[in-house]
Amino acid sequence: SQQGEEDPQALSIQEGENATMNCSYKTSINNLQWYRQNSGRGLVHLILIRSNEREKHSGRLRVTLDTSKKSSSLLITASRAADTASYFCATVNAGNNRKLIWGLGTSLAVNP
Amino acid sequence: DTEVTQTPKHLVMGMTNKKSLKCEQHMGHRAMYWYKQKAKKPPELMFVYSYEKLSINESVPSRFSPECPNSSLLNLHLHALQPEDSALYLCASSPRTESNEKLFFGSGTQLSVL
Repeated sequence: SQQGEEDPQALSIQEGENATMNCSYKTSINNLQWYRQNSGRGLVHLILIRSNEREKHSGRLRVTLDTSKKSSSLLITASRAADTASYFCATVNAGNNRKLIWGLGTSLAVNP
Repeated sequence: DTEVTQTPKHLVMGMTNKKSLKCEQHMGHRAMYWYKQKAKKPPELMFVYSYEKLSINESVPSRFSPECPNSSLLNLHLHALQPEDSALYLCASSPRTESNEKLFFGSGTQLSVL
């Protein structure tokens, strides 16, 4: 299956700074989702953006979607040490909505 | 209750052992999933159950055997595993497979095969 790609693979910032991570995908999608995973734990759904939406906000999270470039970005503002985790994007492809296609993930470290 | 509960949290087994992983949800979700995840990698889909019927098997070796006894429970039976099967096994659920708009994950079972 085709996987999305995320960049950067790893990101290290100071508390209070903003963190931006990007996700690219290969096919037309119905929606794109972002998940967070703390080390050795399950994934937590953060936000979903549909193919006809361009931007969405949830608390300190801002997600954008550019379907012409097949890419999305996740911005975490005013980061906290508790935001340290891996972040994965996942797409539901148009024409095959039975499963998620996962990106490779970005590992974010927020230093106190 | 918005939780997916997985047991055990950790499991060590030999290559000749038989063990089972268990997953439970009480959100009324009709789609349940097993994923395998290696360190620093994305989760890999193994199986999907939709309305208690197996709807997706991602060509998983037969030493992994899923079971969905009812709409709240999902098991993964393990037999004659290999060391390379050591991984974090994640269970997830969603209201239904057709929407795939939000998966709820359990905390996983960290499996070590010796």
